[in-house]
Amino acid sequence: AQKITQTQPGMFVQEKEAVTLDCTYDTSDPSYGLFWYKQPSSGEMIFLIYQGSYDQQNATEGRYSLNFQKARKSANLVISASQLGDSAMYFCAMRETGYGGATNKLIFGTGTLLAVQP
Amino acid sequence: NAGVMQNPRHLVRRRGQEARLRCSPMKGHSHVYWYRQLPEEGLKFMVYLQKENIIDESGMPKERFSAEFPKEGPSILRIQQVVRGDSAAYFCASHKGSAENTEAFFGQGTRLTVV
Repeated sequence: AQKITQTQPGMFVQEKEAVTLDCTYDTSDPSYGLFWYKQPSSGEMIFLIYQGSYDQQNATEGRYSLNFQKARKSANLVISASQLGDSAMYFCAMRETGYGGATNKLIFGTGTLLAVQP
Repeated sequence: NAGVMQNPRHLVRRRGQEARLRCSPMKGHSHVYWYRQLPEEGLKFMVYLQKENIIDESGMPKERFSAEFPKEGPSILRIQQVVRGDSAAYFCASHKGSAENTEAFFGQGTRLTVV
C-alpha cells in the first residue's frame, strides 16, 4: 500500500534561514508524483511544488525546492530564506495509483507545523 | 479564471440535521475529488466524481454520506443525520481530465461544526 510519512510534527526556524521539512514515501509503482502543499491558519490548501518520479532534476519554485532522493524514497521540502509568512502547516502528498493506472487521488502525510521566528 | 469555489466556508449544524456542501470546479474541469480533514490530521480521500458519475467512492463512509456531480451545477457532498464526529474541514479538488496532472486545484474548504 502507498504511504506518506512526515516525522516532524513541528519545526522552528529563524527568519531568513533555510529549513528542510522531511517526507518519506512508500510505493511499489515505478511511476508516481509527489506534491507539497501549504495550509496557513486560514485553512486553504496552497500548492507549492510537484516532483514526478521520472523527472531528471529536482523541482524548484522560487524559494521552494524539493530534495528528491529516489533510492531513499524521500522528497524533502527545502524553504530558503524563511519569512514570517511561511509559518503554516505543510503537507507532503503522493498521487495514488489505482487498478486502472494513475489517478489524481492524493494520499497525504500528517503534516509539519512550521513556525518562523523573527 | 475563477478557482475552485466551495460554499459555504463555515457550516454549523445540530446533531441529526443534514449538511450540504457545494463545490464548483474550475472552468473546463469535469473531475472532482472530495477530501476530509479531521482536526490535527492530513486530508483523506472520500470520493471521485465525473459529471453524472461516481468513479471511486472507496473513502466514503457507508452510511449517511452521499455525493453527486450533476450535468449542470456544482458537486454536492451530502451528510445526513450529522454527528459530532463529522466535524471537520471538507475540501474539493478539480481536474481537467482523468490523465495525470501535476497540480490539484483545491477549494478553500468548508468547515463543518456539529453541535
